[in-house]
Amino acid sequence: EAEVAQSPRYKITEKSQAVAFWCDPISGHATLYWYRQILGQGPELLVQFQDESVVDDSQLPKDRFSAERLKGVDSTLKIQPAELGDSAMYLCASSRSTYEQYFGPGTRLTVT
Amino acid sequence: GDSVTQMEGPVTLSEEAFLTINCTYTATGYPSLFWYVQYPGEGLQLLLKATKADDKGSNKGFEATYRKETTSFHLEKGSVQVSDSAVYFCALSGNTGNQFYFGTGTSLTVIP
Repeated sequence: EAEVAQSPRYKITEKSQAVAFWCDPISGHATLYWYRQILGQGPELLVQFQDESVVDDSQLPKDRFSAERLKGVDSTLKIQPAELGDSAMYLCASSRSTYEQYFGPGTRLTVT
Repeated sequence: GDSVTQMEGPVTLSEEAFLTINCTYTATGYPSLFWYVQYPGEGLQLLLKATKADDKGSNKGFEATYRKETTSFHLEKGSVQVSDSAVYFCALSGNTGNQFYFGTGTSLTVIP
């Protein structure tokens, strides 16, 4: 069964450093989502792509976060500089339609 | 705007007990409704879904019925197992299908 791949699974970084996460969606899924999930809370949408175009990035802190999906397949989410409050699980999801999302295992980020 | 409200946890049950996790929603039009499950350290997995009023989603002994008159989508299972211990998220996809809204999650622990 096809799955959404994410790497790394865990990342520890120091405050003010740059960090990047990678996501490879299920083949054929045109829509890709990045979420941030703070411990004990539900996922919060950061950015949504349709193919290579950004559909929604209204909740993305654009002063430090950036996301790209250059060829409409895999995607990278970057944080620069990282802050203590960025410690969270970063989840990637993809969907063929807009009614059902499939999630990757997530990247657990700890900023020290 | 669209939103989902879940019963707060944590919920602790004995094995073979009956489970209900309440979920109500606010949305314009006719959203699709979902239950996702998250096991420790993992991403979210789609558990079941319903795309129109009176639909019943079911999977692995869990079921939920889309009730438009009460704007609810409560999750039920007749006999829980220790392996059902996880966090459960109710979610909706709005009319346009462009965005998901997640509840805050309900942690379930099943004890032998």
